[in-house]
Order: sequence, then structure tokens, then C-alpha cells
Amino acid sequence: AQSVTQLDSQVPVFEEAPVELRCNYSSSVSVYLFWYVQYPNQGLQLLLKYLSGSTLVESINGFEAEFNKSQTSFHLRKPSVHISDTAEYFCAVSDTGTYKYIFGTGTRLKVLA
Amino acid sequence: EAQVTQNPRYLITVTGKKLTVTCSQNMNHEYMSWYRQDPGLGLRQIYYSMNVEVTDKGDVPEGYKVSRKEKRNFPLILESPSPNQTSLYFCASSLFQGNEQFFGPGTRLTVL
Repeated sequence: AQSVTQLDSQVPVFEEAPVELRCNYSSSVSVYLFWYVQYPNQGLQLLLKYLSGSTLVESINGFEAEFNKSQTSFHLRKPSVHISDTAEYFCAVSDTGTYKYIFGTGTRLKVLA
Repeated sequence: EAQVTQNPRYLITVTGKKLTVTCSQNMNHEYMSWYRQDPGLGLRQIYYSMNVEVTDKGDVPEGYKVSRKEKRNFPLILESPSPNQTSLYFCASSLFQGNEQFFGPGTRLTVL
């Protein structure tokens, strides 16, 4: 069965520093990959997704993620974070064969002034 | 405004008292899904629906029922709630699998 691992439950980082949030999934069969963000007391919003094509995907607010099939990873990066990026980030995988979605346990990003 | 709505937003109930959490979307989406969010466990999929009258179990379906009689609605039913179903529940929809999921605002359920 598919599983998603986000090894870092919390990541503190200073403002304007770079950050990487790690995500690994268990199976390399055909999958769609997503990163969602959840601000305090809100629902989830899509940050970016990989369906096919270029392995590097970008969001409008400076985040990017790279699909690495051999390492079954989809790490999220931002070269310079802002206070407003403080939120919880979830990696998710959808298996194209089963229609199921599997979410990771989330990483709390705290940006410090 | 395109949105997913859930009702109620907050609910406190007692063990064994049947309840329904409604979910409705106005975007003509094919795919709908229910999740529960618990600290340290992330989101876990309860049930999903690929289209009207087509539903399937996610990873944690025990104790829950769903129905999809109309495209826009996907209610979650707890026939006999128990304290371990105390959680934050989210409904979501997407045009198809693989598209962006739009999430509702969440329903915080407490079962005493």
C-alpha cells in the first residue's frame, strides 16, 4: 500500500533563509504528487502539483518541488522564506490506479524574525 | 463564489447518537472525498466518490457511511459515534482525480 513520509514534524527557520521540507513516498507506480498548505484554523490549499512532464514544478509564491522518481521523493524548497510562510505543509500522493489520496503527517514550518 | 461548504462547523454529541455532516460543492466536480485530521497523523481519507452513485473506502472507513445521490452533495454519516471519532473533518472536491482538491472549512466533532 502507498505511504507518504514527512520526516520533519517541525522546521524552525529564520526569515530570508532557505528551507527544504522533505517528502518521500513508498511506491514508484504511476502517481500524482501534491503539496498543500494549511494556515492556522483554515482548510488546506494547493501549493503545487506534479502530474507529468517537467520534474521541477513551481508555485506562484516562490516555492518549488522536484519529482525524483528513482528516490521516490518530492521535496519542497524555497530559497528565502517570509514570516507569512509560517504554516503546516502536507505532502500528498494520489495513486492513479486506485483514486485514493494518501497524505503525509505534515511539517510545521515556523519562520522566525 | 466557487466553494465547498460543510455543516455544521462545530458539533458536540454523545456516544451512539447518529449524526450527519453535510458537504456541498458548487463547482460541478466529479470527485469528492472525506478526511479526518488528527494531531500527528495528518489527514487520512475516510471515503471518496468518483461520481454519482460511485463510492469507495479510503484508509479509515470503519464507523462511517457516505452516499452520493447527487453530484454536488456528499454527506458523511456516523451511525453510532464513539469518542475515538472525535476529530477535525474535511470534505474536499476536485474536477477529476489528479486535479487540485478544494477543501471545505472543516467540521470539529467532539463525541463524549
